[in-house]
Amino acid sequence: ETGVTQSPTHLIKTRGQQVTLRCSSQSGHNTVSWYQQALGQGPQFIFQYYREEENGRGNFPPRFSGLQFPNYSSELNVNALELDDSALYLCASSLGEGNSPLHFGNGTRLTVT
Amino acid sequence: LAKTTQPISMDSYEGQEVNITCSHNNIATNDYITWYQQFPSQGPRFIIQGYKTKVTNEVASLFIPADRKSSTLSLPRVSLSDTAVYYCLVAGSSNTGKLIFGQGTTLQVKP
Repeated sequence: ETGVTQSPTHLIKTRGQQVTLRCSSQSGHNTVSWYQQALGQGPQFIFQYYREEENGRGNFPPRFSGLQFPNYSSELNVNALELDDSALYLCASSLGEGNSPLHFGNGTRLTVT
Repeated sequence: LAKTTQPISMDSYEGQEVNITCSHNNIATNDYITWYQQFPSQGPRFIIQGYKTKVTNEVASLFIPADRKSSTLSLPRVSLSDTAVYYCLVAGSSNTGKLIFGQGTTLQVKP
């Protein structure tokens, strides 16, 4: 079975630009969650998608948005990038039922200059 | 979501058993306890999950007392490759995937 894959692995953007990060879920998983992890900190929940609908959101501004596609892959879009957006962005998929554990990708390292 | 408290860091030596305790005083009736391991520049990896008493798998054991206000992750005979950050999380089925991570416990295994 294929695990969670994220692209790109690394990205450098300039303040004010927009970025799109992509995630392919593990086979059979219908729920995708996105997390932001700053250096030395634990991951922070951004939002979750279940069957193409947003299903919960953390304390992030509206310039963080997402999509989930019929094949359950997902995108994270960030507009008007700020320096503080520099972080590791993690995608995690799960079965979305009961207490099924999350399966994380290895993330996209975003640097905003 | 229940808040968890765990030590910021721990040191151990190869071959020793390591126990990391997590406090979750406000755990709800339907909450499960889940532990993840994270290496630098990688996503967290699921280790073990439990609701009560003891759970064991091929890599770890999880001990949960009757009041469920704490839990202990036990790693038998650690090796250098177990050096990582370990996160304890508590969540119910309604919050699956919407996890609140703390800073975790950085375990340093020495030769």
